[in-house]
Formats: sequence, structure tokens, C-alpha cells
Amino acid sequence: EPEVTQTPSHQVTQMGQEVILRCVPISNHLYFYWYRQILGQKVEFLVSFYNNEISEKSEIFDDQFSVERPDGSNFTLKIRSTKLEDSAMYFCASILRPELNTEAFFGQGTRLTVV
Amino acid sequence: LAKTTQPISMDSYEGQEVNITCSHNNIATNDYITWYQQFPSQGPRFIIQGYKTKVTNEVASLFIPADRKSSTLSLPRVSLSDTAVYYCLVGEGGANNLFFGTGTRLTVIP
Repeated sequence: EPEVTQTPSHQVTQMGQEVILRCVPISNHLYFYWYRQILGQKVEFLVSFYNNEISEKSEIFDDQFSVERPDGSNFTLKIRSTKLEDSAMYFCASILRPELNTEAFFGQGTRLTVV
Repeated sequence: LAKTTQPISMDSYEGQEVNITCSHNNIATNDYITWYQQFPSQGPRFIIQGYKTKVTNEVASLFIPADRKSSTLSLPRVSLSDTAVYYCLVGEGGANNLFFGTGTRLTVIP
């Protein structure tokens, strides 16, 4: 079965440092997403990305966040200056074509711990 | 976006059928109903999707009444490995509309 892969599985960083979370979406999928889940809370939408640009973002996705598709396979989430409250699981997802109501595939997540 | 309401938690014994109902009173004409499963420290996983009536796949069934204001996820003969959080989502399609609520935490008891 095709899968979305994320690296690293766990990242520990000091407050104020920059982190880059990496994702490899399913190869023929066209839409890519980042979500986060603070421990014990619900899954929250951050941003969606299509055709090399952001198509939608939530209020959480402020100026300290950015996304990039640097090549044909990777999709990254950068947090410029991490805060303690950025500690969470970050999930990448991809969909072939949303208008066809196909399923979203999620990666296993990156656990980010800001100390 | 249609708001969804689900029970916060449910318990079931192994081998029983579990039905989790979700209310979505303001569902729109173009909205689909999708259920995801999430195990601890893992990403959500698609279970089933439907628009109306009944949909069945190898893991679950989804029952949607004619008014579409609710839906019921049915898991036949649950096992301990079905212990997870189950999310009901309503939207027109695409992860842009995958706004997760609090979900239903199902605990399967031996």
C-alpha cells in the first residue's frame, strides 16, 4: 500500500531554534497538507499546498511557519523560531485529487519537543 | 463547514458489534461523510466514506439516513486492536475540509 513518510520521527529542539520537518507524499498525489496535534487534543489543520503554492492556511499558520516543495518528492514544514507551545505531533497528508473525494493518506508523524 | 457531534467515549467487549453515531445537522448538499481512525501517536487513517444510504467495505459499514443529518459507523466484531479514536468528518472533499472534531474514543475490553 502506498504511504506518506515523515522524518524525523522525533525532534527535540531548543526554544528559538529553527526546525524543518520533512515529508514524502505519495508520488502521484497532487495536494499536500500539514496538520498538528498537541498531546491529548484534536488534529488541527495548518496548511494545504497545491501546484507549488499555498492554497489555504489556518490561523495557526502564522509568519513563523513556511512550507516548501524543494524537489519533486519532498514537502517540508519549517518553523523559524520555535516556541514551547509548538510542541506537538505534526502530520503530513496527501490526496490524489480532493474534488474526487478520495481519501487522505497521513504519515506517521513527527513528534516535536521544544525545550 | 458542517459541525459534527459524536460521543466522547465508548466501551465495548471483544467480539461485539460497535455502532458510533455522528450528528451533522447542517450538512450541505455537496458534503460527503468520512470516518477516520487514529491510534495513539499515529496519523489518522481513512476507514470509510459515503454520501447516502449504506456503504460497506472490508472493515466497516456506514449507514446514512435519507435526511443525511446523522451517520452511523458500524464495526463488526471488534477486537482489542480496534481501540482507537474515531473521527466523523463532513465536507465537500479534500483535506482542506478535513477539520477534525474531538472524535470518539473507543475502548475494547477483553
